[in-house]
Amino acid sequence: GQQVMQIPQYQHVQEGEDFTTYCNSSTTLSNIQWYKQRPGGHPVFLIQLVKSGEVKKQKRLTFQFGEAKKNSSLHITATQTTDVGTYFCAGHSGNTPLVFGKGTRLSVIA
Amino acid sequence: NAGVMQNPRHLVRRRGQEARLRCSPMKGHSHVYWYRQLPEEGLKFMVYLQKENIIDESGMPKERFSAEFPKEGPSILRIQQVVRGDSAAYFCASSPLRQGEEKLFFGSGTQLSVL
Repeated sequence: GQQVMQIPQYQHVQEGEDFTTYCNSSTTLSNIQWYKQRPGGHPVFLIQLVKSGEVKKQKRLTFQFGEAKKNSSLHITATQTTDVGTYFCAGHSGNTPLVFGKGTRLSVIA
Repeated sequence: NAGVMQNPRHLVRRRGQEARLRCSPMKGHSHVYWYRQLPEEGLKFMVYLQKENIIDESGMPKERFSAEFPKEGPSILRIQQVVRGDSAAYFCASSPLRQGEEKLFFGSGTQLSVL
């Protein structure tokens, strides 16, 4: 079945450093979504990418969808302590259930 | 506009007991999804329901687990004869769109602990 892999599993950065997490799917995706889960919290939708090669920005966050629609990345510029949490990518392949990666847990050291 | 409501927040059961987890979707949402999360893991899809119908239960174990979303009232995830391996966080999510197009709004989850 469809699998979504994320790397790295953990990332520790100094406040102000950049952070990137990568997502790869075993199948071509119809769209990809990103969610953030704070410690002890629930996943919160960040963004959805649909088009091949699409790039979207939200303030310090930049999201990319690969040309082959099988990979994606999330880049955070100049991390802040409020960025702490686990970032999940999740993808659809046709009309299948949304499949989540295992997430990247970000720690920010002040 | 209230978000997705789940209760209880924490549920403790002994092995062999039944667990009932409730989820009220956001107002206007007719699509409900249940996901399970183990520590350090992602969210694993269990079941997708619309009012009175199970649309996709491909992620739900065939035995002991069942789900419903009645015409009136919340969606219920029921686990019979719980075992220690059922301990996990169970998240419900709702969407106004059907599977394949949806953006999910998650509830706060139910943490199930089986003693």
